[in-house]
This record gives sequence, C-alpha cells and structure tokens, in this order.
Amino acid sequence: DGGITQSPKYLFRKEGQNVTLSCEQNLNHDAMYWYRQDPGQGLRLIYYSQIVNDFQKGDIAEGYSVSREKKESFPLTVTSAQKNPTAFYLCASKEGARTNYGYTFGSGTRLTVV
Amino acid sequence: GQNIDQPTEMTATEGAIVQINCTYQTSGFNGLFWYQQHAGEAPTFLSYNVLDGLEEKGRFSSFLSRSKGYSYLLLKELQMKDSASYLCAFQALDSNYQLIWGAGTKLIIKP
Repeated sequence: DGGITQSPKYLFRKEGQNVTLSCEQNLNHDAMYWYRQDPGQGLRLIYYSQIVNDFQKGDIAEGYSVSREKKESFPLTVTSAQKNPTAFYLCASKEGARTNYGYTFGSGTRLTVV
Repeated sequence: GQNIDQPTEMTATEGAIVQINCTYQTSGFNGLFWYQQHAGEAPTFLSYNVLDGLEEKGRFSSFLSRSKGYSYLLLKELQMKDSASYLCAFQALDSNYQLIWGAGTKLIIKP
C-alpha cells in the first residue's frame, strides 16, 4: 500500500545536538511538506518542496534544514539553533503543489529535548 | 491578512449530533479542508469544499459559505471513536496554495 513513513516515532535530543527526522513516501507525489504541531496551535509550515532538488522556507524555518535529493525522500534536520524544538513533527505529501487535492500525512515524530 | 478560527473544545453525547464551526479570513480562497486527528496520530482527510453548499459523506457532512467565510462539520450518530481533534484549513491562493490551519477542535464524546 502507498503511504508516508516517518521515523523514528519518538526521538530524544540533548541540548546542542542536531537530529534528523526521516520522511519517505511511495505515492509518487511531487510536493512534500514538514509541519510542526504544538498544543493549542494550528499546524505551522517549516519547509516545503514542490519538486526534486528544490525547496522553500515556510513560516518557521529558522533552526531547521531540509534536502530533497530524491522524489521519495524529504528529511528534516533540527539543528542546535532551534531553541524550542520539543514538538510533534508531521510530514505530508500532495500529488501536485498547485492542486486542490488534500494532503496525506505520515504518522509523526515526537521530538523531546532532554 | 489571513486567519482561521474554530472552538477549542466541544463535548457531545454518544448517538447525538454535533456541529463544529470554522470561520476564516483571506483575500484569495481556494477551498476548505476538514481533517480528523486522533491523539498522537496523523491527521486524516475528511472533506473538501470549494463551492457553497453542503457535502455529505455518510455520518459526516461539511458546509461552506464563501461570502460569510464560514464552514461547519456536522457529525451525526456520534460514536465513541469520533473522539478526536477536528482541524479545518483553507487553501490560500496568494500563499502558493499553502494550507492555513486552525488550531483544531477537540471533541469529547460521553456515553
């Protein structure tokens, strides 16, 4: 079955460390997105990519980095510059960026700073 | 500017009907989505409205009024498994087709 796989489901990071969250999709979708979800807030866009080897900053890109070397993969690195990284991170994909289709989401990664 | 608003929490009884409202403001509107999200899980797609009116899908219906910047999700014959957060989001033409998300409405179903 097609879908989006995020790993790991839970991740713990020490202060000052970089960590990378994995997102893989086999839906053949062109567009991929990273969102951050905090209690009491709507999903906030970190980065998105409409096509391989291209990506754009979202509303809260500071302290994060991404790459899109393959259509199937869109990893997110949370760097030490992100001062409040504890959150639930969701990866999503869509058939085309400029379409009316809904997003398909991965199951999420819960990142905790220890 | 752009904004979207929905109630933080609602409570309803098993077997009853509940309506979750969502209001939005934007200069370029291209449709409104409703998603269901159980705690700690991924949001799953429920409905999409781009034209005014009611869309019905089994126990769930979604309504849109573009002139009023208003949508609602109607859930009938509530079941305990409907306890979840319900997220509304509109697609903004002037933001490169990005979705602008509400904070979600946590629906609690009581027996």
